[in-house]
Amino acid sequence: QQPVQSPQAVILREGEDAVINCSSSKALYSVHWYRQKHGEAPVFLMILLKGGEQKGHDKISASFNEKKQQSSLYLTASQLSYSGTYFCGTEISGAQKLVFGQGTRLTINP
Amino acid sequence: DTEVTQTPKHLVMGMTNKKSLKCEQHMGHRAMYWYKQKAKKPPELMFVYSYEKLSINESVPSRFSPECPNSSLLNLHLHALQPEDSALYLCASSQSPGRAGELFFGEGSRLTVL
Repeated sequence: QQPVQSPQAVILREGEDAVINCSSSKALYSVHWYRQKHGEAPVFLMILLKGGEQKGHDKISASFNEKKQQSSLYLTASQLSYSGTYFCGTEISGAQKLVFGQGTRLTINP
Repeated sequence: DTEVTQTPKHLVMGMTNKKSLKCEQHMGHRAMYWYKQKAKKPPELMFVYSYEKLSINESVPSRFSPECPNSSLLNLHLHALQPEDSALYLCASSQSPGRAGELFFGEGSRLTVL
């Protein structure tokens, strides 16, 4: 039931782009994205609902392919502040709970 | 006020102790959650409260006992824990039960069981 994220880790230089993928074997109602910095709580980035549009704010956006039960998070022109571990959370239709993927550790170097 | 406050931030307890973790939010949210997070792992759902009633228990051992005294407070009572229960315990809240909405997390209580 846990979604699968890829890659497990990414190292970038400031200004480079990154894509993080999340896939599920179950039919999804929604996909959520969170970022957690070391020693801090996870922070909400965005929710993508079944039948909804691609979301985004600033230089972080995401898409949800309902046919493939996959979501991708796009980070454009990465900034040092983007460093952290990114978790996708998936909500299966009919369930009131979020199950997190294993995380993708993003490191941005100057 | 968009905060979820957890106390204590750190807790060390023996296997025979009884302790409690507390969580408070004043955002008017009606869904509250307990997650457990081990180092370098994702948060794992333990319990969900909807309108102060327990709606989801993810087969958590009975040595963990949740309580929701009112819509702003959530407790996790701990008794006879094992060393493998050492972890970061995160409380979260969301506006509306029934769907997994945006979760607001507290900073967590880091528990060490000796």
